[in-house]
Amino acid sequence: KAGVTQTPRYLIKTRGQQVTLSCSPISGHRSVSWYQQTPGQGLQFLFEYFSETQRNKGNFPGRFSGRQFSNSRSEMNVSTLELGDSALYLCASSSMGYEQYFGPGTRLTVT
Amino acid sequence: AQKITQTQPGMFVQEKEAVTLDCTYDTSDQSYGLFWYKQPSSGEMIFLIYQGSYDEQNATEGRYSLNFQKARKSANLVISASQLGDSAMYFCAMRGLYSGGGADGLTFGKGTHLIIQP
Repeated sequence: KAGVTQTPRYLIKTRGQQVTLSCSPISGHRSVSWYQQTPGQGLQFLFEYFSETQRNKGNFPGRFSGRQFSNSRSEMNVSTLELGDSALYLCASSSMGYEQYFGPGTRLTVT
Repeated sequence: AQKITQTQPGMFVQEKEAVTLDCTYDTSDQSYGLFWYKQPSSGEMIFLIYQGSYDEQNATEGRYSLNFQKARKSANLVISASQLGDSAMYFCAMRGLYSGGGADGLTFGKGTHLIIQP
């Protein structure tokens, strides 16, 4: 079974721009979660989607948004990028259990 | 609110020795899950092991075992017979579990950088 895939793997954007990251979960997994990893703040939960509905949300500003499609694929959008948004963005999927399986991440650099 | 504390920023261990990575947690949830993940330099988070708060037996997965001491709020990872490929960052994490299904997002510790020496 294929793992979680994320595209693109690397991205360079300029302050003020917006960016969309994509995540395809493991086949059959209906829950997709997003996390941000930075050297300063570590790993932080952004949000979780289940059956196209946001089920949980972390403590991030409204510039960070997401959505999930009927095939469980998910996208995350960050508007008005700031330098501090430079991070590794990780997507994780899960089925009925509580374990989350992560993708390789998208490394975003904001200049 | 949940909190995970990993007190070992870095560890050097000789190949083939056993390793214990420390993790303590704090939560007001009655039902929760504890997890360990491995993150090599490539960046991908690899799931290692899971322990539910109501599980009476310690979880084991191959060379990995989780030493769960609920009263002490401790969830240490034990790696038996360490290998060079075990060198990586290791994160302890937890999430509150809902009675009707579903769970919180994962709360992670700061991690332990494990280096296995030949």
